[in-house]
Amino acid sequence: DAGVIQSPRHEVTEMGQEVTLRCKPISGHNSLFWYRQTMMRGLELLIYFNNNVPIDDSGMPEDRFSAKMPNASFSTLKIQPSEPRDSAVYFCASSLVRQVASYEQYFGPGTRLTVT
Amino acid sequence: RKEVEQDPGPFNVPEGATVAFNCTYSNSASQSFFWYRQDCRKEPKLLMSVYSSGNEDGRFTAQLNRASQYISLLIRDSKLSDSATYLCVVRDNTGKLIFGQGTTLQVKP
Repeated sequence: DAGVIQSPRHEVTEMGQEVTLRCKPISGHNSLFWYRQTMMRGLELLIYFNNNVPIDDSGMPEDRFSAKMPNASFSTLKIQPSEPRDSAVYFCASSLVRQVASYEQYFGPGTRLTVT
Repeated sequence: RKEVEQDPGPFNVPEGATVAFNCTYSNSASQSFFWYRQDCRKEPKLLMSVYSSGNEDGRFTAQLNRASQYISLLIRDSKLSDSATYLCVVRDNTGKLIFGQGTTLQVKP
């Protein structure tokens, strides 16, 4: 299995530009999660989808951030316009939710975003 | 107060040492508990789940105390390859995973 695939792996952009991060979850998984990791705040959940439907986007920092999941094998996280404080590592994770009790999330390698 | 709190360390220990990490969580309705491991500049990976009765996986032992809202991870006979950041993770009653800031372990030869 290829695991969770994210692209690009690194992105350097100027303030004000639009940034699109992409994620392909593990085939057969029904839940997808977007996280942001910084030294100051650690790993924070931004949004998650179940069966392609957004379930909880309370972690999305502001309207500049949006996420979509048009089908079971693809999701995007968009930042428009980007700001220097958005610089972070963005992880996508997927899981197969079989039971409510517990499940494992598999993380992609992350996208390291730098906004100058 | 953070929902999941950990001592960031770093913990510097010699090979073969036993080291323990602790974690506290604030939401008494939390459902499930995990330890994830994250290597430098890599993604987090599940190390082990934590069960109420305590559980062991080789050199790793996890304990949960629901009354005190406290989770621990014990590593015996530590190896150089154990050097990483260990993330305490709690699943809340909405199904979301809440991650602690992580505890950094450095095992020295």
